[in-house]
Amino acid sequence: DIVMTQSPDSLAVSLGERATINCKSSQSVLYNSRNNIAWYQQKPRQPPKLLISWAVTRESGVPDRFSGSGSGTDFTLTISSLQADDVAVYYCQYFYSSPSWTFGQGTKVEIK
Amino acid sequence: QPQLQQSGPGLVKPSQTLSLTCAISGDSVSSAIASWNWIRQSPSRGLEWLGRTYYRSMWHNDYALSVRGRITINPDTSKNEFSLHLSSVTPEDTAVYYCGRDPGTTTGHAFDIWGQGTMVTVSS
Repeated sequence: DIVMTQSPDSLAVSLGERATINCKSSQSVLYNSRNNIAWYQQKPRQPPKLLISWAVTRESGVPDRFSGSGSGTDFTLTISSLQADDVAVYYCQYFYSSPSWTFGQGTKVEIK
Repeated sequence: QPQLQQSGPGLVKPSQTLSLTCAISGDSVSSAIASWNWIRQSPSRGLEWLGRTYYRSMWHNDYALSVRGRITINPDTSKNEFSLHLSSVTPEDTAVYYCGRDPGTTTGHAFDIWGQGTMVTVSS
């Protein structure tokens, strides 16, 4: 099974500063020749919200301070200028065609 | 914007069957593109995909290895909903259960619509 490992488990960032979350997969996440990584944001008592799919494609309505990057087995979610509303747990996720979906363990983002 | 509305009990006794329903609005359980999924979340297991149902000329189901043999997901076209049945539950099945839509390759099969979640506790 593919394992998705996020780092760090938590981070505290000052308002307006950059937050960077990493996700490493145990093997290639190519699917139909594209990097098939998604990123979600989850706030307390809410379901996860899809932010980014295909590693780099922002969903409609997602602020452009959120961006995804990476290839192969290493991927990053960047919040370019942290806002108070961004306090949440963030998850990466990979789909593969067995089929199965696997999630990272989550990274908690807080305000410093 | 499609929506998913979950219903079902929050307390189930050990060895019994957990049953939840997810009502779909703004899309169809018979969609030729989407699949309809159940995911759960617990502190010990994190986010865990459980299974899906989808229609491609006929109905299909896929289930996670971790629950295979105990899980059934059924579509109900007359009510435009789908259900989860998990049998022989133990306290390890205590979790928040979500239904979710996979819209297909537009999102790389990521889940773009989620139900509100149901906290299910397995306890006598």
